[in-house]
Amino acid sequence: QVQLQESGPGLVKPSETLSLTCSVSGYFISDNYYWGWIRQPPGKGLEWIGSIFRTGETYYNPSLRRRVSISVDTSKNQFSLRLNSVTAADTAMYYCARESFDIVAAQTLINYMDAWGKGTMVTVSS
Amino acid sequence: QSALTQPASVSGSPGQSITISCTGTKGDVGGYNYVSWYQQHPGKAPRLLIFDVTNRPPWISNRFSGSKFGNTASLTISGLQAEDEADYYCSSYRSSNTPFVFGSGTRVTVL
Repeated sequence: QVQLQESGPGLVKPSETLSLTCSVSGYFISDNYYWGWIRQPPGKGLEWIGSIFRTGETYYNPSLRRRVSISVDTSKNQFSLRLNSVTAADTAMYYCARESFDIVAAQTLINYMDAWGKGTMVTVSS
Repeated sequence: QSALTQPASVSGSPGQSITISCTGTKGDVGGYNYVSWYQQHPGKAPRLLIFDVTNRPPWISNRFSGSKFGNTASLTISGLQAEDEADYYCSSYRSSNTPFVFGSGTRVTVL
């Protein structure tokens, strides 16, 4: 049974970089899924941040693309999120998830998240 | 990037059926059968309920069902139970520079 666990600092100063890692157990990250990050500001809805494949191929939410980077380390069965130049608007619960995908006409379609981590709260404040 | 449109709240009595709508465009919900639904209890991570419009993971009760007509997808909860009180989100692939989008979320209250 796949399990995901987010880790990283719970407090980040404005203008600095948010860094989180998702550790995967019970499943090889090098198998056929995308791996993604989703966030949820307090009292608000879900926002997809981006996804990565074992090859390093990534897809990002355009609203965050200039500030976000997702990487994968298959040797450690982990993937990571970096978000630069954070502001209070980046305060949120951050979830990592396993993502099913499809390929249609040579285009990758992120489909659904079938396993989620419990989430980690990140607050941006000085 | 705009979220898919869901009603803010839906309520029902125990044993009743309720339906939550998720409205998009032909560029997402209407154009692809890649709609999924998630349940989120307070303080918990979301949980997959429905994928590919109508399919249920094996661990999900058959009281939950999905459908789609045109640009609107729907989640129906039959035989409403107290444990169904939660937030529900739809999602879809979107054929734009944002390849994945969530709905705005619906709070379900069991009266």
